[in-house]
Amino acid sequence: SAVISQKPSRDICQRGTSLTIQCQVDSQVTMMFWYRQQPGQSLTLIATANQGSEATYESGFVIDKFPISRPNLTFSTLTVSNMSPEDSSIYLCSVEENRNTEAFFGQGTRLTVV
Amino acid sequence: KQEVTQIPAALSVPEGENLVLNCSFTDSAIYNLQWFRQDPGKGLTSLLLIQSSQREQTSGRLNASLDKSSGRSTLYIAASQPGDSATYLCAVKTYGGSQGNLIFGKGTKLSVKP
Repeated sequence: SAVISQKPSRDICQRGTSLTIQCQVDSQVTMMFWYRQQPGQSLTLIATANQGSEATYESGFVIDKFPISRPNLTFSTLTVSNMSPEDSSIYLCSVEENRNTEAFFGQGTRLTVV
Repeated sequence: KQEVTQIPAALSVPEGENLVLNCSFTDSAIYNLQWFRQDPGKGLTSLLLIQSSQREQTSGRLNASLDKSSGRSTLYIAASQPGDSATYLCAVKTYGGSQGNLIFGKGTKLSVKP
């Protein structure tokens, strides 16, 4: 199983600012994903972080709001830009070796925008 | 469009009781189904992964079954303990996108009382 370290674990941010969340994996993985969990809701996929190329975003999520980097097979960042209170959520990084294998998640970043 | 439903939304049981959590999905075209545990404000811990060709998986006191044709899965927890208190999430890996997407239910919040 992969061990995922996500930073920061929580933050309180002012509206209009940006926050970058880091995801570090202890081994090289093919697939990395970013999810959002709004209060009282389940997880929604934001995007697939592709190594060496632009991320693939799901419907309703755009690169200008959620830029993602993936410089190598063990690291990715998600930035939440120009934040508003509606962005208050838990953001989670996930990895999979391939579509048939187990998904592993980081501990999440609890973001509160005031 | 794949939809995942978990019933009940919340469950409270006395310690020692055996219990069943239910998950249903609308499209049987899945790669696999995975059960997770989420503690308050935390990330997800993988419990069991069932491939589409499998009927069940067991880990310790946990047993998960899959009936793909009827679109149902159950998570059986034997001899429940207060430490089992958490939200349990079911997710199916669909054929959508180039790598498949995990679609989550809203979870069952379990409380095991001493």
